[in-house]
Amino acid sequence: KAGVTQTPRYLIKTRGQQVTLSCSPISGHRSVSWYQQTPGQGLQFLFEYFSETQRNKGNFPGRFSGRQFSNSRSEMNVSTLELGDSALYLCASSGGTGAGVYFGTDTQYFGPGTRLTVL
Amino acid sequence: AQSVAQPEDQVNVAEGNPLTVKCTYSVSGNPYLFWYVQYPNRGLQFLLKYITGDNLVKGSYGFEAEFNKSQTSFHLKKPSALVSDSALYFCAVRDMRGSARQLTFGSGTQLTVLP
Repeated sequence: KAGVTQTPRYLIKTRGQQVTLSCSPISGHRSVSWYQQTPGQGLQFLFEYFSETQRNKGNFPGRFSGRQFSNSRSEMNVSTLELGDSALYLCASSGGTGAGVYFGTDTQYFGPGTRLTVL
Repeated sequence: AQSVAQPEDQVNVAEGNPLTVKCTYSVSGNPYLFWYVQYPNRGLQFLLKYITGDNLVKGSYGFEAEFNKSQTSFHLKKPSALVSDSALYFCAVRDMRGSARQLTFGSGTQLTVLP
């Protein structure tokens, strides 16, 4: 099976712009989570989607949003970019299989990330 | 609230020696515990997880971890380190009490295996 793919891999934006990142989960996986990784704050949870519904949300401002499509692909959007948004954004997919049942015990498999630089 | 502590930012070990990367956790309910490894400019790779059952969990690339409930620890171990094991290691926890399902990660431990 192909792994989790994220596009683009690298992105450079300026303050005030907005950006959209994309994540395609492992085939058959229905849950997608997003994390932000920075040297100062480490890995922080952004949000999780399952069957097109946001299940959980981390402690990030409303400028960070996401969505999930019927094919389980997910996008996250950051509006009005700030310098502090520069980070590696990681997407993780997990099974959530079984007639729409949501299993929190599923292992999350990560993509390579999108490196966002805000100038 | 759930939290994870990795008390060592850096661990150095000679090739062929056993290695241990430490992790302690705090959750209000039962913990689900994970170890991931990250190589430069890459995402996180899953190594192993503890859900329930045997306290000694075996994972990928010869790694294992021991769950100790009384000490709230989940240390990662390998009997004989390889230079290729040099990477950044993250411990993560998920508390199954309540509705939250996200992983909470430790700050990471940089492992360097010296030839």
